[in-house]
Amino acid sequence: DVKVTQSSRYLVKRTGEKVFLECVQDMDHENMFWYRQDPGLGLRLIYFSYDVKMKEKGDIPEGYSVSREKKERFSLILESASTNQTSMYLCASGVNEQFFGPGTRLTVL
Amino acid sequence: QKEVEQNSGPLSVPEGAIASLNCTYSDRGSQSFFWYRQYSGKSPELIMSIYSNGDKEDGRFTAQLNKASQYVSLLIRDSQPSDSATYLCAVPRGRDDKIIFGKGTRLHILP
Repeated sequence: DVKVTQSSRYLVKRTGEKVFLECVQDMDHENMFWYRQDPGLGLRLIYFSYDVKMKEKGDIPEGYSVSREKKERFSLILESASTNQTSMYLCASGVNEQFFGPGTRLTVL
Repeated sequence: QKEVEQNSGPLSVPEGAIASLNCTYSDRGSQSFFWYRQYSGKSPELIMSIYSNGDKEDGRFTAQLNKASQYVSLLIRDSQPSDSATYLCAVPRGRDDKIIFGKGTRLHILP
């Protein structure tokens, strides 16, 4: 079975803090994705990566950056957290069929 | 037209009945289609994939694809309370490797 893990299930941060969300997959997938999910807005793609050190902007990249130094690990970085970044963050990996991690519910105070 | 559209629901179905969930998509070049189930507070879980016109059955679940009409549906037979969840339709976009997700249909199975 594909396993995608995320570093935290719940996270509370203060406005202006730098936040790191980490995702690890064990299926040697080249493609990895970061989404956020908000009520009424559905899943929105923040960034994705086709390979190590490669990244592509998704639909809502503003305020976020990513890092992919190893194939199995894809990190999402909030450079200076703001309250409007309070959300559920979901990592996924795969080509066509995407497999999701458990999610990180981030609250920015 | 939105790329992937679903009725948001909630769709209420009595236990034991058939639940029918529908999805339409705009990209005629799409070749594969997916259904995800998402329980409240959890992440989406892939439950069905379909690539060819017609029906694909897996246990109590049947996915139906009609490329000419650009719709894909999910039927759940003998609905159980544990089927109560949000169901997301997902369609890869032909020009890149992104998947476009619908906003989901909330299904509520009435005991």
